[in-house]
Amino acid sequence: QVLLQGSGPGLVKPSQTLSLTCTVSDNSILSGDYYWHWIRQSAGKGLEWIGRISLSGNTKYNASLQSRATISLDWIKNQDHISLRLTSVTATDTATYYCAREAYYGGGLDPWGQGSLVTVSS
Amino acid sequence: QSALTQVASVSGSPGQSITISCIGTSSDVGRYNSVSWYQHHPGKAPKVLIHDVTKRPSDISDRFSGSKSGNTASLTISGLQAEDEADYYCGSSTDSNTWVFGGGTKVTVL
Repeated sequence: QVLLQGSGPGLVKPSQTLSLTCTVSDNSILSGDYYWHWIRQSAGKGLEWIGRISLSGNTKYNASLQSRATISLDWIKNQDHISLRLTSVTATDTATYYCAREAYYGGGLDPWGQGSLVTVSS
Repeated sequence: QSALTQVASVSGSPGQSITISCIGTSSDVGRYNSVSWYQHHPGKAPKVLIHDVTKRPSDISDRFSGSKSGNTASLTISGLQAEDEADYYCGSSTDSNTWVFGGGTKVTVL
């Protein structure tokens, strides 16, 4: 069973850049059969889709975050990662951030990572 | 892209059936058979219950079922159990090749 693991700083100062990475326990990134998504949830609110990337590097973003969000595939420490960068953060970006996988052939977003809580505060 | 519309809360007694609706538009729910449903217990990762409108992963109980009519998708939970108390979200791909979620429905087992 594939596992997704998100990681990154739990605290980011206002106006700075939030950076998170998601590792995948198998080689499914390189298979090219999946989209890789980032989703977030602020306290007391619902799920908000941030964006997604394919192996080819094709990206799509939530229009409300497009100017600040960048999703990329990176090779770090001999492993592929799905990275999220969100610039010029404010307190409203405080949320739990999830990565998730979506197969091209369907199946919904499955699985999801366990979530990374990021707090924006000075 | 506006969020899909879900009722904020639904409750039921153990053993009962409940249905959660997810209202979209002809640009998302109505256009694609990619609607999926997620169960989210606080502090845990969301879990897919239904994908592609009606399909259920092999590890998901058959008490969960999905359907769609026009721009509205629905999730039915039969034989409600205490462990079903959670937040439920629908999601759909869109004609902009993006993804959109519903606002979420809190299910309470009385």
